[in-house]
Amino acid sequence: DIQMTQSPSSLSASVGDRLTITCRASQTIRNYLNWYQQKPGKAPKLLIYAASSLQTGVPSRFSGGGSGTDFTLTVSSLQPEDFATYYCQQSYNTPFTFGPGTKVDI
Amino acid sequence: QLQLQESGPGLVKPSETLSLTCTVSGASLSCNTCYWGWIRQPPGMGLEWIGHIYQSGRTYYNPSLSSRVAVSLDTSKNQFSLKLTSVAAADTAVYYCARVVILGAIRDYYYMDVWGNGTTVTVSS
Repeated sequence: DIQMTQSPSSLSASVGDRLTITCRASQTIRNYLNWYQQKPGKAPKLLIYAASSLQTGVPSRFSGGGSGTDFTLTVSSLQPEDFATYYCQQSYNTPFTFGPGTKVDI
Repeated sequence: QLQLQESGPGLVKPSETLSLTCTVSGASLSCNTCYWGWIRQPPGMGLEWIGHIYQSGRTYYNPSLSSRVAVSLDTSKNQFSLKLTSVAAADTAVYYCARVVILGAIRDYYYMDVWGNGTTVTVSS
C-alpha cells in the first residue's frame, strides 16, 4: 500500500492568514492526489483533484500543487469557514489511501 | 442534483454481518464514468477506503478487508450495498457512501466528488 503522511498534524491560524499543508507519498504517485475538507460531524468535501484542479464551486483561495511524492494545499487567505480538518488521498493505486489529516483551528 | 443517503442498523453485534445501503438520487448507477464506493471513519480517526463497484458489477476492495467485504448493486432501486462479515469493535465507524468519478487520461484519475451524510455503526453486544 502507498502510505500518505501530512504535516503539520495540527495548526492554529487566524482569519486572513496564508496556510500551506504538506502531503507526502511513500512512492511516486505522479499527480494522482486529491484534497478533502471535513468539518466536525460532516462528510468530507472534495476541494482539489489531480493535484491542482479546483473542484467546481470551491473558492479560488484554495490551490494545490506538487507531483511525484510531495504535494501542497494552500489557502491564500483563511476565512472563518475554512477552519476544519484537511485530508490528502492518493488514487494512483488501489487501495486508495488517505493521509492522517491536518486540523486547522483558531 | 446528485444525492446519496446511507441507511442500515446503527448497532451490530460482534461476529455478525454489517449491512448498509446507499440510495442514489439525481443520477443513475449506470454511469460510464464513475464507480460507487464506501469509505469509513472510526471515531476520532482518519478515513479508510473500503471499496467500490462499477456498473458492470466489477468490484475493487481494500485488501485489509477483502476477505470480509462485499459491495453490490441494485440498479432497479438505484441503490448499492455494503456487507461486512464477522464484525468486531474495530469496525465501529461512520460509514460513508460516495460517487467515485473516473476522469479519463492516459491513466484514469479517480476522486470522490459527492458523499452521503454518513451513518454511524457501533459494534457491541
